[in-house]
Amino acid sequence: EAQVTQNPRYLITVTGKKLTVTCSQNMNHEYMSWYRQDPGLGLRQIYYSMNVEVTDKGDVPEGYKVSRKEKRNFPLILESPSPNQTSLYFCASSMTTGPLHFGNGTRLTVT
Amino acid sequence: AQSVSQHNHHVILSEAASLELGCNYSYGGTVNLFWYVQYPGQHLQLLLKYFSGDPLVKGIKGFEAEFIKSKFSFNLRKPSVQWSDTAEYFCAVRDVGTGGFKTIFGAGTRLFVKA
Repeated sequence: EAQVTQNPRYLITVTGKKLTVTCSQNMNHEYMSWYRQDPGLGLRQIYYSMNVEVTDKGDVPEGYKVSRKEKRNFPLILESPSPNQTSLYFCASSMTTGPLHFGNGTRLTVT
Repeated sequence: AQSVSQHNHHVILSEAASLELGCNYSYGGTVNLFWYVQYPGQHLQLLLKYFSGDPLVKGIKGFEAEFIKSKFSFNLRKPSVQWSDTAEYFCAVRDVGTGGFKTIFGAGTRLFVKA
């Protein structure tokens, strides 16, 4: 089954404790992206990747890192999480000319 | 900077009422246009998309959208809503000029359909 898999679904952590949210797709998509969803703000793009070893900042990249060492994986790294990063995070992938396919989301709480 | 505006943040309708959700974008170049739906507790799913050709696009579940280039608009419509259409709807625009990689979303419209 074609899908984008994110883990974990729920994560509660404390300020400053490094964490990684994994994202994997099995559709051989070139493009992958991370978004955060906050009430009233819609989805805001954090980082995106056009292919292996090619990444670029979205609209809200501060406090986040990504890597794209393999085509299927695009992890999101929070080196020192802060409470303002409490949010719902979605990974998405697509062919360059197709619609986005979304993962099920990761709800992160930073205390 | 590019932006996407959705006119209504919350809409409440009774079953069988007609629906129109507004979407305007600010970018003047070539764009791909999308509407996504997010049912409670779920991830976003594609409702319909417009790349080129007929500006009236039909999607799943009886939804359609009309691209009006002169108005930079891509409004979503459904003639008769059902209770199961209760969800949040997002308009999205992809700037094809940057290589087709940057997709910007509107703030979303929460639709509640009363049974």
